[in-house]
Amino acid sequence: GQQVMQIPQYQHVQEGEDFTTYCNSSTTLSNIQWYKQRPGGHPVFLIQLVKSGEVKKQKRLTFQFGEAKKNSSLHITATQTTDVGTYFCAGREPGGSYIPTFGRGTSLIVHP
Amino acid sequence: DARVTQTPRHKVTEMGQEVTMRCQPILGHNTVFWYRQTMMQGLELLAYFRNRAPLDDSGMPKDRFSAEMPDATLATLKIQPSEPRDSAVYFCASGLVPRWTGPGANVLTFGAGSRLTVL
Repeated sequence: GQQVMQIPQYQHVQEGEDFTTYCNSSTTLSNIQWYKQRPGGHPVFLIQLVKSGEVKKQKRLTFQFGEAKKNSSLHITATQTTDVGTYFCAGREPGGSYIPTFGRGTSLIVHP
Repeated sequence: DARVTQTPRHKVTEMGQEVTMRCQPILGHNTVFWYRQTMMQGLELLAYFRNRAPLDDSGMPKDRFSAEMPDATLATLKIQPSEPRDSAVYFCASGLVPRWTGPGANVLTFGAGSRLTVL
């Protein structure tokens, strides 16, 4: 079955440093989504990428979808304490059940 | 904004007791999911329904867990009997899946979760 791997599992940064989390699928994806879960909260949808090589930006967050549609990344520039949380990617295979497979998430800890 | 509502938010119970968690999905969403989140396993998909029909519950321990959707406004997850290893946060999520285009296509909206502690 489809597997979605995320690295790193944890990342500590000083406020102001950049942060990147990577998502890799064992199979080609039709699309990939990113969610953020604040400590004690629930996952909240951030963005969806559909096209090969697609890049989308949300303020300091940059999302990329690989050319082969098997990997994705989320990059945060100049982290702030409000960025603390766990970032999940969720990928869908073409056809199939259309149900997303979630990665294990990357927990970002920002030190002031 | 439309919300997925889950009850109870917190539940502490003793081993062997029955636990029922409830979820009110967003009106108009056709797919409802139950996830379990633990530190060790991350987000596990337990079961999901499409148009109220159960499509996959392979992620659920069958002997003690059951999921139902008696009507479009209510999904339930029941554990009987509960065990300490069931302690986790249980999330319900709903969405319009699959949808090729349009606002919110294929986006999952999660509820706030039910934190279960089994002593």
